[in-house]
Amino acid sequence: QKEVEQNSGPLSVPEGAIASLNCTYSDRVSQSFFWYRQYSGKSPELIMSIYSNGDKEDGRFTAQLNKASQYVSLLIRDSQPSDSATYLCAVTGAGSYQLTFGKGTKLSVIP
Amino acid sequence: DGGITQSPKYLFRKEGQNVTLSCEQNLNHDAMYWYRQDPGQGLRLIYYSQIVNDFQKGDIAEGYSVSREKKESFPLTVTSAQKNPTAFYLCATRRSTSGRETQYFGPGTRLLVL
Repeated sequence: QKEVEQNSGPLSVPEGAIASLNCTYSDRVSQSFFWYRQYSGKSPELIMSIYSNGDKEDGRFTAQLNKASQYVSLLIRDSQPSDSATYLCAVTGAGSYQLTFGKGTKLSVIP
Repeated sequence: DGGITQSPKYLFRKEGQNVTLSCEQNLNHDAMYWYRQDPGQGLRLIYYSQIVNDFQKGDIAEGYSVSREKKESFPLTVTSAQKNPTAFYLCATRRSTSGRETQYFGPGTRLLVL
């Protein structure tokens, strides 16, 4: 049974701070890793994908992947109140396109 | 205007009734998916289709049925056998680019039981 674990939060950070969201996964042969943002009552929106070890930066977002530790994280720099949402981590296995989702971490950015 | 559309936005089901949720896409993506999301939970896969006229059960297919007669359309029927259908239903398509596979979601349908 493939599992993806996230701290449910809520994670509260002050405006302008760095928010750090973490995710661990159980399937050692997982290949692709995604972060989706979901506002309350809305559908998930893809914000980052990462496929190899290391860091990937896109604007204020940085995804970090460590396959040896089976760990993927998302850093949000200069957090804004508009970043307040639930962040879903999703993972695919080797040779599979099926996504396994974590339950999400709720982020609250305090003005 | 391109993308994934789902209708209706809200749907009410009476006891013993079958209801059908619509999902349409004009992205020319081959693969389509249906997920269910319950409050405070991650997404769980109901059914998926890699190609027209073919579909596979996901983790929680019992009480649901699908069809894939056209590339653009992947409707989901919630049957009376699904005893706890209240949830947020999300349709997704998968884009394949240079060996990278990425899923994108429609706006969702919220199903409520009367």
